[in-house]
Amino acid sequence: DVKVTQSSRYLVKRTGEKVFLECVQDMDHENMFWYRQDPGLGLRLIYFSYDVKMKEKGDIPEGYSVSREKKERFSLILESASTNQTSMYLCATSDIRVDQPQHFGDGTRLSIL
Amino acid sequence: TQLLEQSPQFLSIQEGENLTVYCNSSSVFSSLQWYRQEPGEGPVLLVTVVTGGEVKKLKRLTFQFGDARKDSSLHITAAQPGDTGLYLCAGATGGFKTIFGAGTRLFVKA
Repeated sequence: DVKVTQSSRYLVKRTGEKVFLECVQDMDHENMFWYRQDPGLGLRLIYFSYDVKMKEKGDIPEGYSVSREKKERFSLILESASTNQTSMYLCATSDIRVDQPQHFGDGTRLSIL
Repeated sequence: TQLLEQSPQFLSIQEGENLTVYCNSSSVFSSLQWYRQEPGEGPVLLVTVVTGGEVKKLKRLTFQFGDARKDSSLHITAAQPGDTGLYLCAGATGGFKTIFGAGTRLFVKA
């Protein structure tokens, strides 16, 4: 069974801190994604990666960076956290074939104070 | 910019009622997926529809993909409290990216 694990369910950080969100998958998928989910706005793509060390900007990459050093791990980094980055963050994976459904982790609810 | 509009945004009904949720776009999608998300969890895939006009059934849930592959609907028959959740439609664009709707939040009262 596909499993996507996000390191924290809840996280509280302060403005200006550097924040790391980790995502690990066990199904050997090539594609990995980071989204943020806000009420009324749906899921918005921050970054995605289609291979180790490869990354592409999504729709809202500003203020974020990512790292994919190993196939199974995709990290989202908030370089200097701000209050408008308070949100639910979801990691997802999919098979390399195009148009494959995405498998999601349970999310990290991040609050920036 | 490709957009997927879902309606209604919120739906509160009694157990046993029927309901339909709509997902519309001006863009053509190669496939469309429906997900259900419960509080505190990530979205879980319910179904993928690929062919224009396709109808898929999952117990009391019926999914339809429009003939032009621009829209889709989800119909639930005899809703139950266990159907409560956020329903998301997502359109695949033929590449790596998937476009998500904002979701329909369904609440089924016992």
